[in-house]
Amino acid sequence: GQQLNQSPQSMFIQEGEDVSMNCTSSSIFNTWLWYKQDPGEGPVLLIALYKAGELTSNGRLTAQFGITRKDSFLNISASIPSDVGIYFCAGEEPRSSNTGKLIFGQGTTLQVKP
Amino acid sequence: DGGITQSPKYLFRKEGQNVTLSCEQNLNHDAMYWYRQDPGQGLRLIYYSQIVNDFQKGDIAEGYSVSREKKESFPLTVTSAQKNPTAFYLCASSITRSGANVLTFGAGSRLTVL
Repeated sequence: GQQLNQSPQSMFIQEGEDVSMNCTSSSIFNTWLWYKQDPGEGPVLLIALYKAGELTSNGRLTAQFGITRKDSFLNISASIPSDVGIYFCAGEEPRSSNTGKLIFGQGTTLQVKP
Repeated sequence: DGGITQSPKYLFRKEGQNVTLSCEQNLNHDAMYWYRQDPGQGLRLIYYSQIVNDFQKGDIAEGYSVSREKKESFPLTVTSAQKNPTAFYLCASSITRSGANVLTFGAGSRLTVL
């Protein structure tokens, strides 16, 4: 099955630094979602994007739906130790809009040094 | 509180044995999904069900089986035909929001084959 290209694969940063990660696809998407997964737990939704060009914030998190509909980025400002985890992007293709099937990126593992 | 409950959290199996992972949701969601997660590979779709008594294969259905006799329940059986069953299994359900499907995940079940 198709997967999104998510980068970087991993990041090790200092507390207080800003973080940026992105996902790209060869096909267009109707929806972009960003999830965070803590170790040994299920992913939790952070931000959902529904329109090309949409820019949405959730606290220190900001995500954008690329204007070409083939990419999205997630920024985290002023990172803190509890930001540690795996961040996944997910997209819904137009042909899957009535099935609920999402395509997931490989994940970005974030580690924050206090 | 509404949510998705997966059980057991940890499961050990001997080669050649079938095991069933439970997934129950009280969110009144119509659609339910099973994903498999391996390190560095993101989430891969095993099976999904949009309504009771109906389900479809995902990208990696071989060696797995499901049933959907009730709206709230979507158990996954890992059969002896699955060649590499050791993985983290995630159940999810969805409701269509703003024309898109946003998945809510359970806490996951880790299966280890001895």
